[in-house]
Amino acid sequence: AQTVTQSQPEMSVQEAETVTLSCTYDTSENNYYLFWYKQPPSRQMILVIRQEAYKQQNATENRFSVNFQKAAKSFSLKISDSQLGDTAMYFCAFAGGTSYGKLTFGQGTILTVHP
Amino acid sequence: DTEVTQTPKHLVMGMTNKKSLKCEQHMGHRAMYWYKQKAKKPPELMFVYSYEKLSINESVPSRFSPECPNSSLLNLHLHALQPEDSALYLCASSQWEANYGYTFGSGTRLTVV
Repeated sequence: AQTVTQSQPEMSVQEAETVTLSCTYDTSENNYYLFWYKQPPSRQMILVIRQEAYKQQNATENRFSVNFQKAAKSFSLKISDSQLGDTAMYFCAFAGGTSYGKLTFGQGTILTVHP
Repeated sequence: DTEVTQTPKHLVMGMTNKKSLKCEQHMGHRAMYWYKQKAKKPPELMFVYSYEKLSINESVPSRFSPECPNSSLLNLHLHALQPEDSALYLCASSQWEANYGYTFGSGTRLTVV
């Protein structure tokens, strides 16, 4: 079974600064996918970024980028130039292998961006 | 259309009521999901439909009954719920497997009184 761990229950950052959210996972699968989802107070879960495990290049989406370390089973999210609208709960998630059809979520990190 | 639409957005029901939650997507996704989410917790998978057939039931109590009438619609029928069933119910869809990531709806906030 896969597990996803987010060790930071809460974080805060000043507007325009950079913040990194941590995620580690455990799996015996070789082919899998990792995601970061954002859930603001409006409660809609929004896909922020996706990484395919067989790709060595780290995924980027505008101000969001990941540091994917496959050997260490680490998948951190870096948010650059933080904005007030980035305030949300962030979930790291795993899909693949025998977990077909299922996303395994971490416990989440509440990020607050201060003006 | 890149959305998953859930109705109603809020629902209050008594323990003896019968109600239904609805979910609709027009992205051609062939997998649809129901998740339950408590406050400040990750979503918990309830059911997975793949090509309109129930493929995963995560040991959900029978007072929750899913239905997939066609590839665009997903319902969750509720009957004789308990106060502890109060939660945010999220619907999601994906291409034929979850590896591309889900598109989530904005959820139904359910309160059982």
